[in-house]
Amino acid sequence: IAGITQAPTSQILAAGRRMTLRCTQDMRHNAMYWYRQDLGLGLRLIHYSNTAGTTGKGEVPDGYSVSRANTDDFPLTLASAVPSQTSVYFCASSGWAGNSPLHFGNGTRLTVT
Amino acid sequence: AQKITQTQPGMFVQEKEAVTLDCTYDTSDPSYGLFWYKQPSSGEMIFLIYQGSYDQQNATEGRYSLNFQKARKSANLVISASQLGDSAMYFCAMRETNNQGGKLIFGQGTELSVKP
Repeated sequence: IAGITQAPTSQILAAGRRMTLRCTQDMRHNAMYWYRQDLGLGLRLIHYSNTAGTTGKGEVPDGYSVSRANTDDFPLTLASAVPSQTSVYFCASSGWAGNSPLHFGNGTRLTVT
Repeated sequence: AQKITQTQPGMFVQEKEAVTLDCTYDTSDPSYGLFWYKQPSSGEMIFLIYQGSYDQQNATEGRYSLNFQKARKSANLVISASQLGDSAMYFCAMRETNNQGGKLIFGQGTELSVKP
C-alpha cells in the first residue's frame, strides 16, 4: 500500500542524546514536511523540502535538522534532545499542485526525559 | 503572515444532527487553499475536504461540506447527520498557493464528541 512510513513508532530518549526520526514515502511526491503536534497548539511545521536536495525552515526549526538526499527519504535529527522536544512528530508529503493535500505518516511519539 | 484560528476547543453534537466547526484565516495572498483534516483517537491524520480561494462553489464531499465566506475569511466545516465515528479532533489548514514549499499552516484544532 502506497504511503508514508515513519520509524520508530515511539521512543523514550534521555536529554542530551542524539536521535534521528526516519520517514520514507513511496508516492514519488516532490514535497515533504515534518510537523510536531502538541496539545492545544495543533501541528507546527519544523522543516520542509520542496524537492530532493533542498530544505527550508518552518515555524519551529530550532534544535532540529533535516536532509533530503533523495525523493523518498526525509529524516529528522535532534542533535541534543531537550525535554521541550517531547511531542508527537508527523512526517508528510504532497504533490506540487495547490490543491494537493498532505499525506501523513502515523507519527512518532517521542518522550525526552 | 498567514494564520489559522479555530476558536472552539471542544464541541458536542447529538448523533444524526448536523454540526459546524469554525475556522477563520488571515492571509494577504489572493490565491490560497483551505483544507480540513480529521484525527481520530488512533492518531492518524485523514484528509477530508479542500476549498480553493477562487472556487465558485462551496466544496462538498459526502457528509462534509464547507461554508466558505471569502469576505469574512472563514471556512467552516459542516458535518451532516453526525455519526459516532465522527468523534475526533478536526484541524483546519491553509496553503498559500504561491508559497515556497507548498506547506500547510494548521489551526489549533476542535475536538468533536458525538453523543448517542
